[in-house]
Amino acid sequence: DAGVIQSPRHEVTEMGQEVTLRCKPISGHNSLFWYRQTMMRGLELLIYFNNNVPIDDSGMPEDRFSAKMPNASFSTLKIQPSEPRDSAVYFCASSLSLANEKLFFGSGTQLSVL
Amino acid sequence: QQQVKQSPQSLIVQKGGISIINCAYENTAFDYFPWYQQFPGKGPALLIAIRPDVSEKKEGRFTISFNKSAKQFSLHIMDSQPGDSATYFCAASKFLGAQKLVFGQGTRLTINP
Repeated sequence: DAGVIQSPRHEVTEMGQEVTLRCKPISGHNSLFWYRQTMMRGLELLIYFNNNVPIDDSGMPEDRFSAKMPNASFSTLKIQPSEPRDSAVYFCASSLSLANEKLFFGSGTQLSVL
Repeated sequence: QQQVKQSPQSLIVQKGGISIINCAYENTAFDYFPWYQQFPGKGPALLIAIRPDVSEKKEGRFTISFNKSAKQFSLHIMDSQPGDSATYFCAASKFLGAQKLVFGQGTRLTINP
C-alpha cells in the first residue's frame, strides 16, 4: 500500500488567497484525521471523520477553515482566506476505525502564507 | 493549555548509550499513551504504546515505563543508534482508539556515531 497520500507537498500562497489541501487515506481505513504542526503549538488535531462523516471539528481554529470528505478515498482541508499565521505543516492521518489505536500519517503539506 | 508536557526539548546521546525522554500528564482520564517517531520531511509514525494497567512495555530496544501515581511516562531507547536520530512525541488520549490524541511538544534526539 502507498500509505496516506497528501498533495501538494509544498504550497506557497499570498495572504487572502484560498488554499486547498488534499488527502487520500489508506484503502480500507474508515477514519481520517487532519492535524496541524507548528513550532509554537506542536501537533494539534483539527478535525476527524468516521465513515466520511465529521465527528469532531472542535480543533478547527476559525470559520476560515473547512474540511470535507466526499467519499472514502478523498478528503480536503480548505482555508479561505488564508493568513500568514496559518503557515504550518498540515498532516492527514487515517486508521482502520475509531477503535483502532494505530494512526498512519501522510508526509504532510508544508504551507507558507506570505 | 498544555495537557502533556515533554522533556527535554533536545537530547544528544552517544551511539550505544541509553536515550530517555520523559512526559507528564495532568488529566487522570487519559488511558492510552503512545509514542510517535518523526523523521525530517515525514509524518509521525507510531513507535510503541502503553495502557495504564501495566507499568512497562518493551518492544525490541524501545521501552515505555509508566508511573500512574506520578502521572508520568517515559521512553527508553537502549543501545541507541544513529538511525534513531529523529523527533519523538509522546501523546495521550482518553477516548477509544487514537481519537483526540494530545501530543507533547516533541524531543529532537541526535545520536552521535
